[in-house]
Amino acid sequence: EDKVVQSPLSLVVHEGDTVTLNCSYEVTNFRSLLWYKQEKKAPTFLFMLTSSGIEKKSGRLSSILDKKELFSILNITATQTGDSAVYLCAGVPVSNFGNEKLTFGTGTRLTIIP
Amino acid sequence: KAGVTQTPRYLIKTRGQQVTLSCSPISGHRSVSWYQQTPGQGLQFLFEYFSETQRNKGNFPGRFSGRQFSNSRSEMNVSTLELGDSALYLCASSLLAGANYNEQFFGPGTRLTVL
Repeated sequence: EDKVVQSPLSLVVHEGDTVTLNCSYEVTNFRSLLWYKQEKKAPTFLFMLTSSGIEKKSGRLSSILDKKELFSILNITATQTGDSAVYLCAGVPVSNFGNEKLTFGTGTRLTIIP
Repeated sequence: KAGVTQTPRYLIKTRGQQVTLSCSPISGHRSVSWYQQTPGQGLQFLFEYFSETQRNKGNFPGRFSGRQFSNSRSEMNVSTLELGDSALYLCASSLLAGANYNEQFFGPGTRLTVL
């Protein structure tokens, strides 16, 4: 059974700090890894990573995938209170005519203290 | 453009009852996926509908079912509710089926509490 594990479960830092969130995965026929930010209820898409070693960036957020070691990290630099949220990662298998299923981790709850 | 809407936002039911949740996708989107989110299990994929057909299904019992209408609105039904069904149920819409995650938008969810 596919599995995605995120660490830490929760993290509390001060505004301006840099944080690194971890996601390890065991996904049969792995294709991609997704990162989401969930504030209140609706997750919003952050990144999709398919290739190993290629960093994706969006402002202060960046992410990279290591397909050999089966993990990904999400970095947030110069954190702001608006970064407080639950960050989810999900493993995506190769589609097989309707059998494509996402496996999500339980998330990392990030709290930024002003 | 209006976002994904889900109704109702909150529901309280008792064990054994059944419930129907509704999701209206973004106008023009034809794919609707449903997810269950609980503190212990995290976000779990339930099923995906595209053009009124179930395209994918997660590992949930047959008590969980869904359908999609010609206007792309989708409903999810849970019969014979159990305490463990208490969760946040999220739906997400996208223009196309499958791996368009960067273009998949989530609704605000329906919080179901089973007593």
